[in-house]
Amino acid sequence: QKEVEQNSGPLSVPEGAIASLNCTYSDRGSQSFFWYRQYSGKSPELIMFIYSNGDKEDGRFTAQLNKASQYVSLLIRDSQPSDSATYLCAVNPDSSYKLIFGSGTRLLVRP
Amino acid sequence: GAGVSQSPSNKVTEKGKDVELRCDPISGHTALYWYRQSLGQGLEFLIYFQGNSAPDKSGLPSDRFSAERTGGSVSTLTIQRTQQEDSAVYLCASSPRYRVTYNSPLHFGNGTRLTVT
Repeated sequence: QKEVEQNSGPLSVPEGAIASLNCTYSDRGSQSFFWYRQYSGKSPELIMFIYSNGDKEDGRFTAQLNKASQYVSLLIRDSQPSDSATYLCAVNPDSSYKLIFGSGTRLLVRP
Repeated sequence: GAGVSQSPSNKVTEKGKDVELRCDPISGHTALYWYRQSLGQGLEFLIYFQGNSAPDKSGLPSDRFSAERTGGSVSTLTIQRTQQEDSAVYLCASSPRYRVTYNSPLHFGNGTRLTVT
């Protein structure tokens, strides 16, 4: 079992819809969670961080964390074609320096 | 520059040759990471440097891979006797502190795309 799992996609949504990206992790003791966006041929960039159970909102992005079920999700409201990218979930298992990344979910937003 | 700089951006090499990949982190960042991203895959941790501490080499896939960081700044990742399965994008990242947090996230370079023929 991989430490961090994501559906590879592609997830295709129409412009203006809500895109829902999911991630599960195996280390129950994990404390902090990150979402990175990676455009094709570019480096990953941090877009969201969450460490408490519940929801965290930042503009059109909402991260949701459920430690009991060991999943973290990212919602993108009012999706735009410019949101088309690969979204990487990353877990910091011991609150130190190492991030464990999932393989990413490719999102396509259709105009 | 303001960001993490990697060179070369692209490298094509023949199987069996050695290659060196360079990373220049953001000035003042004490932590430096190397990750590898194969086609359609996530980021695979390779090695971590923090200040003068011994590096965490637990992610290096074989003894053909080595890395050093000179003067706490520039890092070089060396792959000896390259194999076709080494083909990937090698990403370097730096962060200002030991712990990865929202205030101390990883800042990635644009990577080196290595192709072994």
